[in-house]
Amino acid sequence: DVKVTQSSRYLVKRTGEKVFLECVQDMDHENMFWYRQDPGLGLRLIYFSYDVKMKEKGDIPEGYSVSREKKERFSLILESASTNQTSMYLCASSMGQGGPEAFFGQGTRLTVV
Amino acid sequence: GEDVEQSLFLSVREGDSSVINCTYTDSSSTYLYWYKQEPGAGLQLLTYIFSNMDMKQDQRLTVLLNKKDKHLSLRIADTQTGDSAIYFCAEGSSYKLIFGSGTRLLVRP
Repeated sequence: DVKVTQSSRYLVKRTGEKVFLECVQDMDHENMFWYRQDPGLGLRLIYFSYDVKMKEKGDIPEGYSVSREKKERFSLILESASTNQTSMYLCASSMGQGGPEAFFGQGTRLTVV
Repeated sequence: GEDVEQSLFLSVREGDSSVINCTYTDSSSTYLYWYKQEPGAGLQLLTYIFSNMDMKQDQRLTVLLNKKDKHLSLRIADTQTGDSAIYFCAEGSSYKLIFGSGTRLLVRP
């Protein structure tokens, strides 16, 4: 079974903290994605990566950065957490070519206080 | 730009059919998808349709695609209480997906 694992289910952080959300996939997928999910807004793409050390901005990259040093791991970084970054964060991965399916992790619910 | 729209809520009685609708804007999408999200869980791919197809059937699920109107629908036959979830429509390729806001399906006993 394909597995996409996010390091935490729930996180509570203080305003101004640097926050790391980690995601690991075990299927040797080229593509990895970070989305945030907010009620009534669906999933919005923050960043994606199509190869190691490669990254592309999604629709809402402001306030976030990412790191992909190894193929299986994609990290989302909140440089200075703010309350408007309280959300559900979903990581996903997919094959580079041919396969249409994206596999999702279980999500990390981040609360910034 | 790219946009995917869905209604936010649908309520049906157990045993009835459910139809969830979606409109999209990007006519160059390779695939169109339906994902299901159960409470507290990530998204799970239910089914997808290649953009040159009109219909796809998979057990209780039927996907209809009208490319001219950029309209996608998901029909669930004999809806069960276990089908209660949020259903997301998405367009794109394996490279990038654009999601709708999700339709919350409530199945009443």
